[in-house]
Amino acid sequence: AQSVTQPDIHITVSEGASLELRCNYSYGATPYLFWYVQSPGQGLQLLLKYFSGDTLVQGIKGFEAEFKRSQSSFNLRKPSVHWSDAAEYFCAVASDAGNMLTFGGGTRLMVKP
Amino acid sequence: KAGVTQTPRYLIKTRGQQVTLSCSPISGHRSVSWYQQTPGQGLQFLFEYFSETQRNKGNFPGRFSGRQFSNSRSEMNVSTLELGDSALYLCASSLKTGQETQYFGPGTRLLVL
Repeated sequence: AQSVTQPDIHITVSEGASLELRCNYSYGATPYLFWYVQSPGQGLQLLLKYFSGDTLVQGIKGFEAEFKRSQSSFNLRKPSVHWSDAAEYFCAVASDAGNMLTFGGGTRLMVKP
Repeated sequence: KAGVTQTPRYLIKTRGQQVTLSCSPISGHRSVSWYQQTPGQGLQFLFEYFSETQRNKGNFPGRFSGRQFSNSRSEMNVSTLELGDSALYLCASSLKTGQETQYFGPGTRLLVL
């Protein structure tokens, strides 16, 4: 069965600092991977996705993620964090049986001024 | 293009009652998936509907059911509500089934008293 692990439950960074959120997945075939962000009381907004091809994918709001098959990882990065990036971030893998996403437990990002 | 809409946004019910939540997908999208989000269990897949047929079902009791109409709008129903059903219920739509990108609505927050 597929699974996703986000090792960091909470992360605090200073505004302007760089950010890396970790995601590890378990999936038998080539994974379809996603990062979503959720602000308080809101739904999930898609940041970026990886289906195949270039292992470094660019997303919205200045985010990027790198797929590393050898490490079963899909880490999310941003070079300079803004206060508005404070939110919860979810990594997910799609099942090949249909539109079923398996999510990690999420990482809550706090940004210090 | 309008996003995924969910109604109602908030709902309070008592134990034993039933509830119906509604989801309108993005125009042209034919697949609708439902997810439950709770602090303890995180984001969990409930089911997916495509072309009015249930494609996949997560590990939830039979009290949770859904349907999809010919215009792709979907409803989910929870009968005999329990306190543990209190959650944010998220609907997501995609163009078709398979490992597609899913776009989420704002959710319906259900509180069971």
